[in-house]
Amino acid sequence: NAGVMQNPRHLVRRRGQEARLRCSPMKGHSHVYWYRQLPEEGLKFMVYLQKENIIDESGMPKERFSAEFPKEGPSILRIQQVVRGDSAAYFCASSPNREFYEQYFGPGTRLTVT
Amino acid sequence: AQRVTQPEKLLSVFKGAPVELKCNYSYSGSPELFWYVQYSRQRLQLLLRHISRESIKGFTADLNKGETSFHLKKPFAQEEDSAMYYCALDTGGGNKLTFGTGTQLKVEL
Repeated sequence: NAGVMQNPRHLVRRRGQEARLRCSPMKGHSHVYWYRQLPEEGLKFMVYLQKENIIDESGMPKERFSAEFPKEGPSILRIQQVVRGDSAAYFCASSPNREFYEQYFGPGTRLTVT
Repeated sequence: AQRVTQPEKLLSVFKGAPVELKCNYSYSGSPELFWYVQYSRQRLQLLLRHISRESIKGFTADLNKGETSFHLKKPFAQEEDSAMYYCALDTGGGNKLTFGTGTQLKVEL
């Protein structure tokens, strides 16, 4: 089991472009969580998804950010029209179900907006 | 709103010395707290959970609701304990973690 996979590991975008971050959960896990870590800050919850469902998006910025976890394929965090303030490390975690307390983290994607 | 505070960015101790990594939280509900650790070039991983009340790699943490604290302790630091430690508060029944800013523990020989 390779663990939670995220790609790309590093992503550079110019202001106004779109950023797509991918997360493949651990085998057998159907719950995915996205976190953002701004410089000098802790990880902040963004969104919690189950296959084909958004369970909790209370941490997502209201505009430009969206997430999905389709029936087939990885979960995708999409940021439209990126701005410099979106530069951060984005972490994905997965768990087998809602009741399982441990979240397994991926290596993160470092987004740099120039 | 919930918040987790780790006041020390860096804690440097000598091998064999006691370690205490501080964590304070702010949450109106019943808290569930965790310590996650990130070793060099590795992923963030769970170290321990307050409900389980177990010792992992010699580390323990006690929830003190009166002081709203969840400090991580180890009586004798080892070189392999050097890592980044994050305190986390679960406010979503197992699916929404709020993390502190982390403390870098450096164990010197």
